[in-house]
Amino acid sequence: GDSVTQMEGPVTLSEEAFLTINCTYTATGYPSLFWYVQYPGEGLQLLLKATKADDKGSNKGFEATYRKETTSFHLEKGSVQVSDSAVYFCALSDLGGYQKVTFGTGTKLQVIP
Amino acid sequence: GAVVSQHPSRVICKSGTSVKIECRSLDFQATTMFWYRQFPKQSLMLMATSNEGSKATYEQGVEKDKFLINHASLTLSTLTVTSAHPEDSSFYICSARDGDRSEQYFGPGTRLTVT
Repeated sequence: GDSVTQMEGPVTLSEEAFLTINCTYTATGYPSLFWYVQYPGEGLQLLLKATKADDKGSNKGFEATYRKETTSFHLEKGSVQVSDSAVYFCALSDLGGYQKVTFGTGTKLQVIP
Repeated sequence: GAVVSQHPSRVICKSGTSVKIECRSLDFQATTMFWYRQFPKQSLMLMATSNEGSKATYEQGVEKDKFLINHASLTLSTLTVTSAHPEDSSFYICSARDGDRSEQYFGPGTRLTVT
């Protein structure tokens, strides 16, 4: 079945540091890939997505590129802020999102001033 | 943008009672809604998929008689936890898919505590 593997946290960074959260996936077919963010006590928010190979999703300074050859969708940000502290989930969904979403285990990011 | 609400946001109930959680799509029609459960420091686990007007499809290991799902309209789905026990305490999140679009929109979640 489909699965998503992402790096374990927590990840602690100083403000303005570079962020990378690794994510790899296993899926049949050609899934759409997503990054969701969950702030403390809140639900999930879609951060960015990519629907086909070599697509780059971007939002709020975060980026991730759909790499089919390495089955990866790593999340990056050049300069993190304290307000970026949250849990980040990598996810995939078949058929452009019409099917259920399979989530990774989440990576907690803590940014310290 | 598409907004999904959940009510209540927090609920505390006694063991043996039932609790109903509502999930509403506020500005779009949701042909499909999904219910997830999130354990502390863990990822979301899909519990069931519900389509308007038909029975929900439950994931393996989820008791359908304990977690009753009703998708009565294109904007409302409910999850009822029957005869709740402390092990049912969790964060329940719904998502809704706009019939015209593939993206799912997530609700803010409901924190259930069973004492």
